[in-house]
Amino acid sequence: EAQVTQNPRYLITVTGKKLTVTCSQNMNHEYMSWYRQDPGLGLRQIYYSMNVEVTDKGDVPEGYKVSRKEKRNFPLILESPSPNQTSLYFCASSLNGGAYEQYFGPGTRLTVT
Amino acid sequence: GENVEQHPSTLSVQEGDSAVIKCTYSDSASNYFPWYKQELGKRPQLIIDIRSNVGEKKDQRIAVTLNKTAKHFSLHITETQPEDSAVYFCASRDAGNMLTFGGGTRLMVKP
Repeated sequence: EAQVTQNPRYLITVTGKKLTVTCSQNMNHEYMSWYRQDPGLGLRQIYYSMNVEVTDKGDVPEGYKVSRKEKRNFPLILESPSPNQTSLYFCASSLNGGAYEQYFGPGTRLTVT
Repeated sequence: GENVEQHPSTLSVQEGDSAVIKCTYSDSASNYFPWYKQELGKRPQLIIDIRSNVGEKKDQRIAVTLNKTAKHFSLHITETQPEDSAVYFCASRDAGNMLTFGGGTRLMVKP
């Protein structure tokens, strides 16, 4: 089954404790991205990757890191989480960039206390 | 960068009525405009999209119109049903292949 998976689905952590949210797709998509969803603000892009070893900042990259060592995986890293990073995070993939359907993962709800 | 504004933020209609959600974008080079539906607790899913070489596209009860001159596009849902209740997001893809989303519209269809 074609899908995007994320782990964990829920995470409660404390300020400053490094964490990683994994994202994996099995559709051989070139493009992967991370969004955060906050009430009233829609989906804001954090980082995106056009291909392996190519990553770029989105609209809200501060406090986040990503890597794309393999085509299928695109982990999101918060090296020192802060309470303002409490949000719902979605990973997405598409065939090639923004001109194609985005397939979203199930979401990761992160709470930073 | 691209700026996408979406209105209204909430919309309540009676079952069977029509619903219209409007979006404006800022980058005149934008050329792809998808709409996503997000049901409560679920992930966003594409419901319809339109490219800049057409002015209107329909799929059963939903349609999207595009006015490139005015830089706005709209989602039209006819004969609304309770299962249409969800948050709807418009988006715009600019010349840099970036997709920018609007702030979302919460649609409530009252039976």
